[in-house]
Amino acid sequence: RKEVEQDPGPFNVPEGATVAFNCTYSNSASQSFFWYRQDCRKEPKLLMSVYSSGNEDGRFTAQLNRASQYISLLIRDSKLSDSATYLCVVNGGNTGKLIFGQGTTLQVKP
Amino acid sequence: GAGVSQTPSNKVTEKGKYVELRCDPISGHTALYWYRQSLGQGPEFLIYFQGTGAADDSGLPNDRFFAVRPEGSVSTLKIQRTERGDSAVYLCASSTSTGGQYFGPGTRLTVT
Repeated sequence: RKEVEQDPGPFNVPEGATVAFNCTYSNSASQSFFWYRQDCRKEPKLLMSVYSSGNEDGRFTAQLNRASQYISLLIRDSKLSDSATYLCVVNGGNTGKLIFGQGTTLQVKP
Repeated sequence: GAGVSQTPSNKVTEKGKYVELRCDPISGHTALYWYRQSLGQGPEFLIYFQGTGAADDSGLPNDRFFAVRPEGSVSTLKIQRTERGDSAVYLCASSTSTGGQYFGPGTRLTVT
């Protein structure tokens, strides 16, 4: 079983749609959680950290459920520019190494 | 300010050759990480430096892979006797001791 599991998609949605991505992680001792965005042939970029209380940044909302070891990302009012791969990321220990999921591909269409 | 830089951006080498990949972290970042990413997969951790020392090298796949960071800034990932399975994008990231990781553009390694 992978340490971080995501549905690879692709998710094809129209502009303006709301879309949700989920991931699960296996290490209950994990302390830090993130969503990264990766455009084709580019490096991953930090989108947002994820906290137990949930956090929102504009059209993006992230949630963490520690009991279920489950992380989610909600994107409201999708834009064409949101098309990318979204990587669910978990801190893999006290060295700070990151464990990445496979990524979920989002394609927003006009 | 300047981000993480990596050179070369692309490297094509023959099976069995030796390669070096360079990473120049963000100035002042004490932590440096190497990852590699295969097509369709998320990045996979290789090694982590805190200052000059390798604090965690548990992700290095075998003893053909080695990395150094002699002055606590620039790091070099070295791969001996390259194999076709080593073909991937090698990503470097840096961070402060408490901050998020910022990635460089990567080196695309192709072993023929």
